[in-house]
Amino acid sequence: DAMVIQNPRYQVTQFGKPVTLSCSQTLNHNVMYWYQQKSSQAPKLLFHYYDKDFNNEADTPDNFQSRRPNTSFCFLDIRSPGLGDAAMYLCATSRDPGSNSPLHFGNGTRLTVT
Amino acid sequence: TQLLEQSPQFLSIQEGENLTVYCNSSSVFSSLQWYRQEPGEGPVLLVTVVTGGEVKKLKRLTFQFGDARKDSSLHITAAQPGDTGLYLCAGHTGFQKLVFGTGTRLLVSP
Repeated sequence: DAMVIQNPRYQVTQFGKPVTLSCSQTLNHNVMYWYQQKSSQAPKLLFHYYDKDFNNEADTPDNFQSRRPNTSFCFLDIRSPGLGDAAMYLCATSRDPGSNSPLHFGNGTRLTVT
Repeated sequence: TQLLEQSPQFLSIQEGENLTVYCNSSSVFSSLQWYRQEPGEGPVLLVTVVTGGEVKKLKRLTFQFGDARKDSSLHITAAQPGDTGLYLCAGHTGFQKLVFGTGTRLLVSP
């Protein structure tokens, strides 16, 4: 089945130690998104790629970076994680950025910062 | 920033009861989607509504898009424990991104 896969499911990192979360998709979708979801809150968009075009949200901290080396893969890099960055990180894809194109989410990576 | 406010934030009901979740904004959206998220998983799309006044049904779930495309509602008839989860509305701004609502956490007890 075509899907969005996130690895790892659970990630523990130390305060200030860089960490990378990965996302892969077999849907061949053009758009890939990274969302941050804190406990009992709605997902918050960090940034997205439309093909190779990177789009950062205005309030996304510089501490968060992303790479998309090819259509299938997208990475979220947190350069110096703080305690406030502990959250579920969701990757999603859509075929195109149009308004009727649904998002397909992975199951997320839960990040713990110690 | 376009905000989508959902109400109620939390709802705990018994199996068989009916319920309605509301999603409101002061902004107009080109379309609105509803997702359900279960613990430890990503959100899963339930429906997309596009036309003002549109009503869509998905088994016991009825979705309505407001005439002015600023609000939406989700009505569940005869709720079941399997309906338990976080319900999220999400509005498409037309600029390549989806803005999520504040979420409604539903607990249906047997």
